[in-house]
Amino acid sequence: KQEVTQIPAALSVPEGENLVLNCSFTDSAIYNLQWFRQDPGKGLTSLLLIQSSQREQTSGRLNASLDKSSGRSTLYIAASQPGDSATYLCAVKESGETSGSRLTFGEGTQLTVNP
Amino acid sequence: KAGVTQTPRYLIKTRGQQVTLSCSPISGHRSVSWYQQTPGQGLQFLFEYFSETQRNKGNFPGRFSGRQFSNSRSEMNVSTLELGDSALYLCASSLSGHTYEQYFGPGTRLTVT
Repeated sequence: KQEVTQIPAALSVPEGENLVLNCSFTDSAIYNLQWFRQDPGKGLTSLLLIQSSQREQTSGRLNASLDKSSGRSTLYIAASQPGDSATYLCAVKESGETSGSRLTFGEGTQLTVNP
Repeated sequence: KAGVTQTPRYLIKTRGQQVTLSCSPISGHRSVSWYQQTPGQGLQFLFEYFSETQRNKGNFPGRFSGRQFSNSRSEMNVSTLELGDSALYLCASSLSGHTYEQYFGPGTRLTVT
């Protein structure tokens, strides 16, 4: 059974810092990994999608890497801003005939960026 | 292009009642998945519909059911509500195929009293 773990569970940093969020998964048989952002009480906003054949993806100040063989992904946020405060979730889509579009989520990292 | 929409956004029900939630996917998306989010359990997969057929199902009791219509809109139904069903219910849509990104709606906040 796939398990996804995110470390740390919570992170508080001053504005302007570069930071790294970690995600690990137990079964490397995945199609892709997706990072999301969730603001309190809201839905999920997709940040980056990395296919299993890719090593990294970049969007603006965000960079996500994937090491499928070791079951790890990192989300790097450069020059953090107070508006980046949210919960960040990673999710994997497992390969296999019965997986369909099912995503398995980690518990998230709650990020606070202080002005 | 309009995003995933969910209605209603908020709902308060009493134990024992039933509830129906609706999800309209992004135009052209034929896969719709439902998730339950609670503080204790995080995000858990309920089921997925593709071309009006349930393609995958999570580990939830039979009180949770769903369907998909020919226009890809989906509904989920929870019968005999329990206090523990209080949660944020999220739906996601995507194009068919395993490599596509999933897009989530704003969710329906269900409170059972």
